[in-house]
Amino acid sequence: EAEVAQSPRYKITEKSQAVAFWCDPISGHATLYWYRQILGQGPELLVQFQDESVVDDSQLPKDRFSAERLKGVDSTLKIQPAELGDSAMYLCASSPGLVQNTEAFFGQGTRLTVV
Amino acid sequence: GDSVTQMEGPVTLSEEAFLTINCTYTATGYPSLFWYVQYPGEGLQLLLKATKADDKGSNKGFEATYRKETTSFHLEKGSVQVSDSAVYFCALRPATGANNLFFGTGTRLTVIP
Repeated sequence: EAEVAQSPRYKITEKSQAVAFWCDPISGHATLYWYRQILGQGPELLVQFQDESVVDDSQLPKDRFSAERLKGVDSTLKIQPAELGDSAMYLCASSPGLVQNTEAFFGQGTRLTVV
Repeated sequence: GDSVTQMEGPVTLSEEAFLTINCTYTATGYPSLFWYVQYPGEGLQLLLKATKADDKGSNKGFEATYRKETTSFHLEKGSVQVSDSAVYFCALRPATGANNLFFGTGTRLTVIP
């Protein structure tokens, strides 16, 4: 069964360091999402790609976060510099395309701890 | 804007008890509605979905009915098991415009033997 792959599963980093997460969506899925889930809360969208283009990054803190999906396949989310408040689960998800009634398929997430 | 409101948790039930987790939404038109489940340390898995009014989604003994008149999508299960212990998220995808998912805050369910 096709899955969304994310790495690493866990990351501990010091405040002010740079950190990067990788995501490989299900093959053929044009839409890719990065969500942030703070402990005890629901996921919140950071950025959405359609193929290689960003379609929504309104909630991405652009002073420290960046995301790319250069060839419209896998994607990288970067934080530089990391802050204590960035500690959270970072979830990647994909869906076949801009179809309203389709679900998003989630990876296992990257648990980030900033110390 | 679009949003989802879930009942506050946590919920603790004995095995074989009846489960209801309330979910209401705010959106224009007819959004698609979803329930996702998250086991400890894992990502989210789709549990069930409904894409139009009066649809009933069902999976693994769980079910939820899309009620446009009450803007609700309550999750139910007739007899819970210990293995159902997890966090449950209600979510919506708007009918138009934004194509992402809006999630509720989640409800933690613990089932005790």
